[in-house]
Amino acid sequence: DVKVTQSSRYLVKRTGEKVFLECVQDMDHENMFWYRQDPGLGLRLIYFSYDVKMKEKGDIPEGYSVSREKKERFSLILESASTNQTSMYLCASGGSAGREAFFGQGTRLTVV
Amino acid sequence: GQQLNQSPQSMFIQEGEDVSMNCTSSSIFNTWLWYKQDPGEGPVLLIALYKAGELTSNGRLTAQFGITRKDSFLNISASIPSDVGIYFCAGHGYNKLIFGAGTRLAVHP
Repeated sequence: DVKVTQSSRYLVKRTGEKVFLECVQDMDHENMFWYRQDPGLGLRLIYFSYDVKMKEKGDIPEGYSVSREKKERFSLILESASTNQTSMYLCASGGSAGREAFFGQGTRLTVV
Repeated sequence: GQQLNQSPQSMFIQEGEDVSMNCTSSSIFNTWLWYKQDPGEGPVLLIALYKAGELTSNGRLTAQFGITRKDSFLNISASIPSDVGIYFCAGHGYNKLIFGAGTRLAVHP
């Protein structure tokens, strides 16, 4: 059974805090993605990674950074959380040849 | 950013009706994927399509990969209340995973 696991289902953080969202996959996938999902805006790509230590900006990278030190783990970092980063964050992973891609269960982040 | 054109945006149907939704793109993809998302959860993969022209079923769901590789459709037959949710199409290529805006499905018992 394939698995993409996000470290938290729900998080509440204060404005200005540094926030880490972790994602782990057990499918040996090359590609990993971070999206945020807001009502009416669909899934917006923040960053993706196609290999260890490799990363590419997505459509909305401002205010975020990522880390991929190991193939199975892709971390999203909010350097200084702001209230407009309150959102549902979704991690996905997929093979580089473009086959299936699977999502984690999502992290609902609230910044107060 | 790039997004697939998914339609319709929402559907409100009676239980037992069939449903059809589709996605188009200006780009070619190696794989088309269809997901369903329940409230507060991550999207769950329903069907994956790998070859142009491919028609694949998963229970009451049927999806097709368009011949041009730039479109796909998803049909749900004999809808039931638990079909409620948001359905997303996605095109997956080399290092790209692009989504449609979603089709919100409501099923009236």
